[in-house]
Amino acid sequence: DSGVTQTPKHLITATGQRVTLRCSPRSGDLSVYWYQQSLDQGLQFLIQYYNGEERAKGNILERFSAQQFPDLHSELNLSSLELGDSALYFCASSVVGQGGTDTQYFGPGTRLTVL
Amino acid sequence: GQQLNQSPQSMFIQEGEDVSMNCTSSSIFNTWLWYKQEPGEGPVLLIALYKAGELTSNGRLTAQFGITRKDSFLNISASIPSDVGIYFCAGPTLSWTSGTYKYIFGTGTRLKVLA
Repeated sequence: DSGVTQTPKHLITATGQRVTLRCSPRSGDLSVYWYQQSLDQGLQFLIQYYNGEERAKGNILERFSAQQFPDLHSELNLSSLELGDSALYFCASSVVGQGGTDTQYFGPGTRLTVL
Repeated sequence: GQQLNQSPQSMFIQEGEDVSMNCTSSSIFNTWLWYKQEPGEGPVLLIALYKAGELTSNGRLTAQFGITRKDSFLNISASIPSDVGIYFCAGPTLSWTSGTYKYIFGTGTRLKVLA
């Protein structure tokens, strides 16, 4: 158990819909990262938040957005869903989130299926 | 953009055999991380390497930070059935525009251990 929690574990929805994925970081971690993992693919970095502010952006679509709240939990919002958005979405957290030596701990993921 | 290439893509081995896999990059990294992902779970950090030439062990796992800083290797000795999973390498890349780091992940090596 990494200490990072994600809800829901599974989500099934239809094209065009909007969903929200939730992540609670490890106690004491200030930074949250979101990743997308499509079938048989590696992890694609989406976005990072540090202490409530956006820190780094990866290949995140404009239909996707995220935020980190004062209690440090984070939500990833996916809108106008398409079939290709079906994937595992992982949240990771780390203590500081800067420099190249900050270890990330991953949550169990949310499996999104868009029908 | 930067890519991390892992080889082999997949391996089927007999229990008790040793395993070697590697990760190469087109550019230099200052940190190499190795993660293992089991089906339905998030990646779990196995070993972190911070210095060129560094050799670090974690039980039956040994990883090395290549001298050129463009590659890393992971070895598993005396494999057991629970070693099955996908092994990812990862490294931080610096965004010169934002001055922040983000991690990129390799495509993974899928390991299956036959009892």
